[in-house]
Order: sequence, then structure tokens, then C-alpha cells
Amino acid sequence: GAGVSQTPSNKVTEKGKYVELRCDPISGHTALYWYRQSLGQGPEFLIYFQGTGAADDSGLPNDRFFAVRPEGSVSTLKIQRTERGDSAVYLCASSPLDRTEAFFGQGTRLTVV
Amino acid sequence: AQSVTQLGSHVSVSEGALVLLRCNYSSSVPPYLFWYVQYPNQGLQLLLKYTSAATLVKGINGFEAEFKKSETSFHLTKPSAHMSDAAEYFCAVSVTNTGNQFYFGTGTSLTVIP
Repeated sequence: GAGVSQTPSNKVTEKGKYVELRCDPISGHTALYWYRQSLGQGPEFLIYFQGTGAADDSGLPNDRFFAVRPEGSVSTLKIQRTERGDSAVYLCASSPLDRTEAFFGQGTRLTVV
Repeated sequence: AQSVTQLGSHVSVSEGALVLLRCNYSSSVPPYLFWYVQYPNQGLQLLLKYTSAATLVKGINGFEAEFKKSETSFHLTKPSAHMSDAAEYFCAVSVTNTGNQFYFGTGTSLTVIP
């Protein structure tokens, strides 16, 4: 596709459940980022992939959050034992190797009830 | 550590007036700097970027920004505000020595008064 695609666009889940959020980056982009955006806040960095490996996962808030990018393209953000505080918009972005721009998807709005 | 500070979480201007959104950065190495715009319920769209070329950068929709190293600033301006400019604006910085993260400010909400 032409841009970064994120699915689903909306996800409502019950507290304690497991969720997976998918990101399909722009073809050829080696870098992939996950951000979390709470209402009225700027995007908060979660994790950054360069190829298949997580180059920096220092933004993951705790061990309930995990992300993978097994083939260096599509990435999945996984959240275990969801809590109401996890409710936010989860943004994915990709960029070329020269990091001259991050291209963002539309985001997945996660609501934990 | 790298960071971005946006002064003023809310800015209101009259239609046709000058828009000035402030951004200051902190970086120990030369940064790349960006302004993104976010319309309600949409993703972030790049307005303009500074990547160590010309210090005055022109972007889409008539916006521009000037990189001032001495002031560690990258303020966003537009000579004449339009109603369609009402949105959330985010300044961001990216540096090579931190794994190429993009660090974002907390955003400035721009209201345009008719």
C-alpha cells in the first residue's frame, strides 16, 4: 500500500484480556516505531525496530507489552492482561534508513473497559 | 538526553493573523527537527522538516520554520491563518545517537477565530 496501515482502527477489550495490534509499514522502510498517544498528549515512544530486531525498547512501560517484527516488515504490538490505563491511541510509523521522516499510520484506538 | 518543549498548549489566532507556534529542543548533537500536524481522529502528517540543510524551511499549507541553533529553537510560523489550520501541532526531534527515535513535544492546539 501507499502508506502505513494499522489494524484494527478501533479495539474495545475487557480488562485482563490479551490484544494484538498490527502495523504494516511502507514497503522498503527499514525502521518501524510504535508510539502511544493519550488524550491531549504527544506521542510517547514505545519501541523502535531496525529490520527484524528491536533496536530500542526502552519505552515499553512494563513486561505486559511486547512487540515483534519477525520478517522485517509487518509488526505486531502485543499487550497482555490489559488494564484500563492502557486505553490510548497506538500509533505506528515507519521511516527510511536515513530517518529523514517518520510516516505515521492512522492509529489503533484501544479502549479497555 | 533529547527533548522537545512546546510553549503554549493552546494558541488562538484570528483568521488572517500571524500564526506562531513555539518549539525549543534539547540535544547534545545536531538534530533533525520536524513539525507534524494532526487533525481530529487522524494520524500525524508531516508539515516540514529540518535535516541540516537550509535553516529556513518551507512546508506545506504555507507554513515555515527557522532552525536557530543559538536559541535551540524551531518555531513554526504562517503569515495568515486560515480556518482549515485549526488542528494539533507537534514538534519532534530525531538524533542519530539515540537509536533514531523521534521525540515529540506535548503539542499545541491551534484555534482559528473567524
